[in-house]
Order: sequence, then structure tokens, then C-alpha cells
Amino acid sequence: GAVVSQHPSRVICKSGTSVKIECRSLDFQATTMFWYRQFPKQSLMLMATSNEGSKATYEQGVEKDKFLINHASLTLSTLTVTSAHPEDSSFYICSAPSQGNTIYFGEGSWLTVV
Amino acid sequence: AQSVAQPEDQVNVAEGNPLTVKCTYSVSGNPYLFWYVQYPNRGLQFLLKYITGDNLVKGSYGFEAEFNKSQTSFHLKKPSALVSDSALYFCAVNQAGTALIFGKGTTLSVSS
Repeated sequence: GAVVSQHPSRVICKSGTSVKIECRSLDFQATTMFWYRQFPKQSLMLMATSNEGSKATYEQGVEKDKFLINHASLTLSTLTVTSAHPEDSSFYICSAPSQGNTIYFGEGSWLTVV
Repeated sequence: AQSVAQPEDQVNVAEGNPLTVKCTYSVSGNPYLFWYVQYPNRGLQFLLKYITGDNLVKGSYGFEAEFNKSQTSFHLKKPSALVSDSALYFCAVNQAGTALIFGKGTTLSVSS
């Protein structure tokens, strides 16, 4: 079946630095990908919609300049957390819809900012 | 606006017994409904979806869900629970091409 790969699965970075998370659709093309943030034992909060060839669409309250999203190709979207702070520590998950509107999720990336 | 409600934070069931995890939704138009399962520190695994057709949808790992339009519900069911089914379950809704909107999640605990 369709697979979405997310990398890295865990990353620790120092406060003030930037970190990039990649999301790849491995066996299908995705003109749209979605980025979510999840706090422990809570639901997924949609951060933004990544659109291949155009700007991402951010949800209300999500800082565009802090969470940079680039949809470089039909199989790759990246989320860059810029000038990270400890409050940015979280579980970030990407997803992509395949044919038939089945939406597949990556394994998620744990970000810890120290 | 679309929304999903999962009224139970936790469901406890004994192994071998049937389980139900509840979900109700609110959408304009025809809903696309999904169930996902999440194990600790992992991403979401797709279980099943309803788009149109038969109201009883069969999915992965023996799970099924029944779409009830009059009650705007999409409850997840399994005839015989396994300890390995213990996880966090999410109901979600979208319209084609848009992001999923999730319920708050229900923790399923299956005791041996």
C-alpha cells in the first residue's frame, strides 16, 4: 500500500537553531501534503497545507516565519522549524492523500529543543 | 464547518469481548469518514474509511465501522478485542482533497 516516509524520527536541537523535517510519499505523487502537530496524549492539530509549486496555506495561529514549508516536488515536502525554542518541542506528523482520498501518515518526528 | 466528536476519553474492555469506540460528526455536504489507530510514539495507521455505498465498512485488523446518517455517527467496532488492540484511536472527517479534521481521540484498553 501507499507509504509516507518521514525523517528524522527524532531530533534534538539547541535553542535558536533551525531543524528540517522531511516528508516523502514513496509510491505515489502528492500535490498536497498536510503537516500536523501533536502534544502528548492529545489530538492532531493541523498546522498547514503544503502545495506543490505554490505557497503553503497556514492555519490560524501558526507562525509562517517560524514554520517554513516547502513542497519541492510531487513526492517531497519539508517543514523547517526556524529559531527553535523549547516550546516548539513536540511530535510533528505529515500526511498525504493518495488516490481514492485515503490519507496516509508518516511515522512522525519527535523534536526536542534544549 | 466540519467537526468530529469522540465522547469517550477511554474505553475499557476485556479480551475476547466486543468493543465499540464512538464517533459523531458534523459536516456540510457528504462526509468522508476515517478511523486511524496510533500506538505510542508512532504515526497514525489507517484502519478504514467511508466515502459512499454500504453503510458497514470493513477495515484492517478485524475492525469495522457503521455509518449512520440519521444519527451522524461512525462508530468503530470489533467483535472480539485483543490485548494488542490497546492504543489511541482517532475518528476523522474531511471533504475530498482537504486535510483531515480529527476528534480528540479515545484510548482503548483491552485487559487480558
